[in-house]
Amino acid sequence: NAGVTQTPKFQVLKTGQSMTLQCAQDMNHNSMYWYRQDPGMGLRLIYYSASEGTTDKGEVPNGYNVSRLNKREFSLRLESAAPSQTSVYFCASSERSTEGYTFGSGTRLTVV
Amino acid sequence: QKEVEQDPGPLSVPEGAIVSLNCTYSNSAFQYFMWYRQYSRKGPELLMYTYSSGNKEDGRFTAQVDKSSKYISLFIRDSQPSDSATYLCAPFNQAGTALIFGKGTTLSVSS
Repeated sequence: NAGVTQTPKFQVLKTGQSMTLQCAQDMNHNSMYWYRQDPGMGLRLIYYSASEGTTDKGEVPNGYNVSRLNKREFSLRLESAAPSQTSVYFCASSERSTEGYTFGSGTRLTVV
Repeated sequence: QKEVEQDPGPLSVPEGAIVSLNCTYSNSAFQYFMWYRQYSRKGPELLMYTYSSGNKEDGRFTAQVDKSSKYISLFIRDSQPSDSATYLCAPFNQAGTALIFGKGTTLSVSS
């Protein structure tokens, strides 16, 4: 099925551990995004990549790094996980923002 | 002031009711106004969007924009239990960087 695939779907980390969230899209979209969603806070942009080879910070980039590996893949790395990073992480892609984003099904991350 | 404000609800209505979901925004440069729907434990999906002021209708859904008051509305007619979800507004400026979402309003339609 065409769309955005995120892995893993669930993860539990200990404080200080590192991990990479993977995202891949098969729609040949130029732009990709990482959001986190927390109760009462809505969706907040972490990083985005307007095109292959470029990345920019969003509203809440601290504690995260990203890599736009190629046009299909955009990964999010937590170098030293903190409990405040417990959240649901969504990856999205778009050709043009005016056409809307396609979201993945999310990664539920718990940091203990 | 946040760029996009949205009452989180929850909003509970009986089946068949007319539902009104609303957002306010602060940036007068926004020109596109999107509504996303998010079912529980799923990613958001684009429901509909409008450009500039005015109304747009799609089946039971009507999106309305009043740029003079910076107010966005989504109306759902003849609401169904399958409409139970969180609705997020996302105004957008074509020259902007990425979508900024409202916090979402959670709607529950009971049969």
